[in-house]
Amino acid sequence: ETGVTQTPRHLVMGMTNKKSLKCEQHLGHNAMYWYKQSAKKPLELMFVYSLEERVENNSVPSRFSPECPNSSHLFLHLHTLQPEDSALYLCASSQDGRGDNEKLFFGSGTQLSVL
Amino acid sequence: AQKITQTQPGMFVQEKEAVTLDCTYDTSDPSYGLFWYKQPSSGEMIFLIYQGSYDQQNATEGRYSLNFQKARKSANLVISASQLGDSAMYFCAMRESRGGSNYKLTFGKGTLLTVNP
Repeated sequence: ETGVTQTPRHLVMGMTNKKSLKCEQHLGHNAMYWYKQSAKKPLELMFVYSLEERVENNSVPSRFSPECPNSSHLFLHLHTLQPEDSALYLCASSQDGRGDNEKLFFGSGTQLSVL
Repeated sequence: AQKITQTQPGMFVQEKEAVTLDCTYDTSDPSYGLFWYKQPSSGEMIFLIYQGSYDQQNATEGRYSLNFQKARKSANLVISASQLGDSAMYFCAMRESRGGSNYKLTFGKGTLLTVNP
């Protein structure tokens, strides 16, 4: 198993659909993250969970709803998205989210297209 | 103001030559960490190298080295002996200490490196 696994790799959805992105980490980490990567923009931090508690919500619209049932799994529930939400969504994990030297391990992302 | 600035949208290098990717940062925090990540076309972000703000020596990891100039607030990545597999997007990132909570890793816009045979 690779360190951080994301499914699905690609997702196409209509604006009225409801879908979920899944992330699983096999590294024994305590912190998990959702990032959004749009074309020609820096990666944007969306949410951070540490020990299954949400510790950061970076002004993300409510049509994105994260869920972290345990330290190994992270979901991003999507509903009534807009075309501008089309992007690569990256999941990451780290040891506990607090150190300056703490590196993040990323998954391969879900490429989302909203029609 | 941007926290991380990468001024080179794209760079080209000949195989086996060295290349420097530029990164400047902006912070008033005395304690911070600087990272470089590589993103190949597969999408996964791969950690390359880390430099702490208090580290006296420049970080090195194999063919990667970080040219850390604290007074200039620059953290350039040097890749020696470029290989075709080095072709990818490269992102500079910074993690600032914010008291008891310092989860945020801020990324630059990236540099697309192409290695020519």
